[in-house]
Amino acid sequence: GQNIDQPTEMTATEGAIVQINCTYQTSGFNGLFWYQQHAGEAPTFLSYNVLDGLEEKGRFSSFLSRSKGYSYLLLKELQMKDSASYLCAVRDSNYQLIWGAGTKLIIKP
Amino acid sequence: DTAVSQTPKYLVTQMGNDKSIKCEQNLGHDTMYWYKQDSKKFLKIMFSYNNKELIINETVPNRFSPKSPDKAHLNLHINSLELGDSAVYFCASSQEGRSTDTQYFGPGTRLTVL
Repeated sequence: GQNIDQPTEMTATEGAIVQINCTYQTSGFNGLFWYQQHAGEAPTFLSYNVLDGLEEKGRFSSFLSRSKGYSYLLLKELQMKDSASYLCAVRDSNYQLIWGAGTKLIIKP
Repeated sequence: DTAVSQTPKYLVTQMGNDKSIKCEQNLGHDTMYWYKQDSKKFLKIMFSYNNKELIINETVPNRFSPKSPDKAHLNLHINSLELGDSAVYFCASSQEGRSTDTQYFGPGTRLTVL
């Protein structure tokens, strides 16, 4: 079966750095996405990786290792508004998105 | 202007009723989706649809049916609502052919079946 694993919840301090991991087992791979979802709101796109390596976008970076079936989202200089759920999603061989359950990130002052 | 919009935002109804949720996108995308997000926060694809193909997740009961009057709209009709249908339903759209194929989500419809 297809599976996306992420930690359920993480806590970090304002101004710090946090890394959210995602491991996947899917039938084929056509890219990995990270989305942010604030409580009661829709998911919004953060990043996309299809080749191995690090993609940097401001305070957020996303890393992919296809051989290990692994990705992480790195958030720097954490702000209170970063408190949200972070969803990892993998596009499989049928170009369907398979979603993880999301990691709830709690930022403390 | 909102890129992907859904109505209603909240829907409370009795078991056995039939209801529809509307979705519209003004991004010019050619693919639209319906997702269900349950209390455990899993996003599950229900349907994806473009002008060529409707792909149905085989786990979706046939009480759920998508209806697309045109490329910018994909409505979700639900017959004989059950308690387990209570969830947040998200509509999304994307442009096929682009390398990232990013999906843009609507604000969601919170359905409560009593």
